[in-house]
Amino acid sequence: EPEVTQTPSHQVTQMGQEVILRCVPISNHLYFYWYRQILGQKVEFLVSFYNNEISEKSEIFDDQFSVERPDGSNFTLKIRSTKLEDSAMYFCASTYTLGGEQYFGPGTRLTVT
Amino acid sequence: GQSLEQPSEVTAVEGAIVQINCTYQTSGFYGLSWYQQHDGGAPTFLSYNALDGLEETGRFSSFLSRSDSYGYLLLQELQMKDSASYFCAVRDNYGQNFVFGPGTRLSVLP
Repeated sequence: EPEVTQTPSHQVTQMGQEVILRCVPISNHLYFYWYRQILGQKVEFLVSFYNNEISEKSEIFDDQFSVERPDGSNFTLKIRSTKLEDSAMYFCASTYTLGGEQYFGPGTRLTVT
Repeated sequence: GQSLEQPSEVTAVEGAIVQINCTYQTSGFYGLSWYQQHDGGAPTFLSYNALDGLEETGRFSSFLSRSDSYGYLLLQELQMKDSASYFCAVRDNYGQNFVFGPGTRLSVLP
């Protein structure tokens, strides 16, 4: 069964450093998302991506965040200058159609020290 | 703004039936989804309602009333493996911004 994959599973970085989180969505999916979840809290929408551009972004997704789909298979989230409060689990998700079922990857746990 | 409300915790015994409610206030509405998340795991899709009524998938059913901005997830014949957090999520009518509820932690006791 096809699945969304994410690397790395855990990333530790120092405050102020740049990190890139990587995702490989399901191959025939068209819509891609990044979410974050701070430990014990709800899942928060960051950004959606369709047709090689951002469709929508939340207030959390400020100028320090960017997304790319560089090669037709990978989907990346870059955080330019990490802050302590960026520590969270970051989930990538994809779907073939709007609404309905989103397939989530296993997540990347980001720890900023 | 957009907000969703769910009970924070529910406890039930194996074999029982439990209902997890979700009320929402959103600027638009496309549909209500339910996701299950085990500790340390990723959310996994359970069900989706775009129209009023009941959708059944095995032991799980989901209901939506758009006029009441209300939905629920019904879990029947509870099993220990159903112990997890359950999130409702709404997509507004025009965007691709999915808003998740705060989650309900279900504990199934033997």
